[in-house]
Amino acid sequence: DTAVSQTPKYLVTQMGNDKSIKCEQNLGHDTMYWYKQDSKKFLKIMFSYNNKELIINETVPNRFSPKSPDKAHLNLHINSLELGDSAVYFCASSWGGQGADTGELFFGEGSRLTVL
Amino acid sequence: AQSVTQLDSQVPVFEEAPVELRCNYSSSVSVYLFWYVQYPNQGLQLLLKYLSGSTLVKGINGFEAEFNKSQTSFHLRKPSVHISDTAEYFCAVSDRDTNAGKSTFGDGTTLTVKP
Repeated sequence: DTAVSQTPKYLVTQMGNDKSIKCEQNLGHDTMYWYKQDSKKFLKIMFSYNNKELIINETVPNRFSPKSPDKAHLNLHINSLELGDSAVYFCASSWGGQGADTGELFFGEGSRLTVL
Repeated sequence: AQSVTQLDSQVPVFEEAPVELRCNYSSSVSVYLFWYVQYPNQGLQLLLKYLSGSTLVKGINGFEAEFNKSQTSFHLRKPSVHISDTAEYFCAVSDRDTNAGKSTFGDGTTLTVKP
């Protein structure tokens, strides 16, 4: 039973299109994240939600919009895709409990986005 | 603010040789420390973590790391590597006191084990 699952695993699309990636965790965690990994393998945090509330919003173009319908789900919608958006997007979760979150992250398998 | 520096971007090593992947961090507060491994085309998984207590931490697959507070380092070691250890390794740090859930990652070290 996969702890953090994200779909789709691969997306290939044209510039200017809109796409979404979905993420679900069954660990009972309160906090979920989106990370972007570029072609050099560098990992950068994009967003974090704690129990459906946005708590981290790094410098990300507003074409990227996260949505958390409940604490087990975090989706990422990207409008007007650009070539530079090509990357692997990872969903992750952590415990999130006040004073109890060490920051240990549980990652999904990643969604590889290719913009042509 | 925290930062993490992984001192080697690539480490090639022969099978059954020992390996050390180096990680230094800077932070104005107490931290938790982590090493994650990413196998090709997979997500990251936790290798080991330092939360408190003994400074020598053992993880999965025979890896261990030592927390050195005075040198602000958390180097990862394995006495004898296998071909299957070929992967990307990430060091990460999170703040104990505030924003504990936000981890800062190093740029990664590519470990390549040759036969």
